[in-house]
Amino acid sequence: KNQVEQSPQSLIILEGKNCTLQCNYTVSPFSNLRWYKQDTGRGPVSLTIMTFSENTKSNGRYTATLDADTKQSSLHITASQLSDSASYICVVSPSNDYKLSFGAGTTVTVRA
Amino acid sequence: SQTIHQWPATLVQPVGSPLSLECTVEGTSNPNLYWYRQAAGRGLQLLFYSIGIDQISSEVPQNLSASRPQDRQFILSSKKLLLSDSGFYLCAWSVSRGQGIGNYGYTFGSGTRLTVV
Repeated sequence: KNQVEQSPQSLIILEGKNCTLQCNYTVSPFSNLRWYKQDTGRGPVSLTIMTFSENTKSNGRYTATLDADTKQSSLHITASQLSDSASYICVVSPSNDYKLSFGAGTTVTVRA
Repeated sequence: SQTIHQWPATLVQPVGSPLSLECTVEGTSNPNLYWYRQAAGRGLQLLFYSIGIDQISSEVPQNLSASRPQDRQFILSSKKLLLSDSGFYLCAWSVSRGQGIGNYGYTFGSGTRLTVV
């Protein structure tokens, strides 16, 4: 069964600090992995997309890594801002199906 | 550029009443379309997906149905809502595999918060 596990479930950080979110998956065969940011009550917005051959991708202060061998990904937030408070969702797409596998998300709270 | 519109943003409906949520996509043709439901603290659950007009697959047996009357329009419906239908519903679209790059792009609508009372 294709699964995506995210950790931690939630975290609180001070403004200006860095944090790293983890995503482990069992989806196979693998096509791509995406990180989304979801503000409360809104739809998820894509931050990064990585295919099998990519092991790092940045979008401003967000940097995602992918280790396709160990089936692990991380999302690093640098110099956090209050606006980074949101849920971050890891989504993995198989290469043989339309259906995506979603993690439950990590809720990040940035405090001043 | 492509855009996705989903409405309404919030909805409060009594038990037993009908439901119609609408989603439209602009700026692309023959998109794959999806309806998801998100429960608090849980991952998104795929409800329906469509690869073309009148081609709809249901993932979870339930009180809901979906229709695709036009290429870029996807509707989620119910004849009689249940309390358990409450939740956050998301529409999404992606390019079709026939366009050569598989399920690469995947964009969500802004969501509908449905409360059944």
